[in-house]
Amino acid sequence: GESVGLHLPTLSVQEGDNSIINCAYSNSASDYFIWYKQESGKGPQFIIDIRSNMDKRQGQRVTVLLNKTVKHLSLQIAATQPGDSAVYFCAENRGSGGSNYKLTFGKGTLLTVNP
Amino acid sequence: DAGVTQSPTHLIKTRGQQVTLRCSPKSGHDTVSWYQQALGQGPQFIFQYYEEEERQRGNFPDRFSGHQFPNYSSELNVNALLLGDSALYLCASSLANGNGEEQFFGPGTRLTVL
Repeated sequence: GESVGLHLPTLSVQEGDNSIINCAYSNSASDYFIWYKQESGKGPQFIIDIRSNMDKRQGQRVTVLLNKTVKHLSLQIAATQPGDSAVYFCAENRGSGGSNYKLTFGKGTLLTVNP
Repeated sequence: DAGVTQSPTHLIKTRGQQVTLRCSPKSGHDTVSWYQQALGQGPQFIFQYYEEEERQRGNFPDRFSGHQFPNYSSELNVNALLLGDSALYLCASSLANGNGEEQFFGPGTRLTVL
């Protein structure tokens, strides 16, 4: 069946270090992936996305890597800050376009940044 | 520009009751999706509405129903509430004909069933 999961449920890093959050997916038909950040009491916030025809995409302090061979996704956060502390979800999005997309989320990784 | 808004923020119901949750999409968006997020879990897709019709549905029973209005706002209705329905209910909006599939989430409604 379909599943999107994470290797590590918790991650604790020091402020200024780089963080890497991993995610495995099982559906080879997945063609679009998103990372969301969810702070306590808030809804998920879009961080960065990547399509299956790419293997790397960079944003501001964040990089997403996609390895389709092993069905693995990672989120790298450079110079992690206390404000980065949150639960991070990877989500798989499959569909024929536009409004036909629905998101399948993993369980999430709790990132704690120590000052 | 208002983002996605949801009401109420919190809600307490008892088993067997019915509940209605409301969502207003981000300005300019025409598609609304609903998700259920149990404590410590990732959100699970309930259904999606576009042009006032249910477009897709996840693995949720018929007790979960919805509606979309001409102004694109949406309601989620849950009948015959069970204890297991206690969760954070998230609404996400998107643009059907946009270049991306990015969904913007609201803050959610925390439903507690006693």
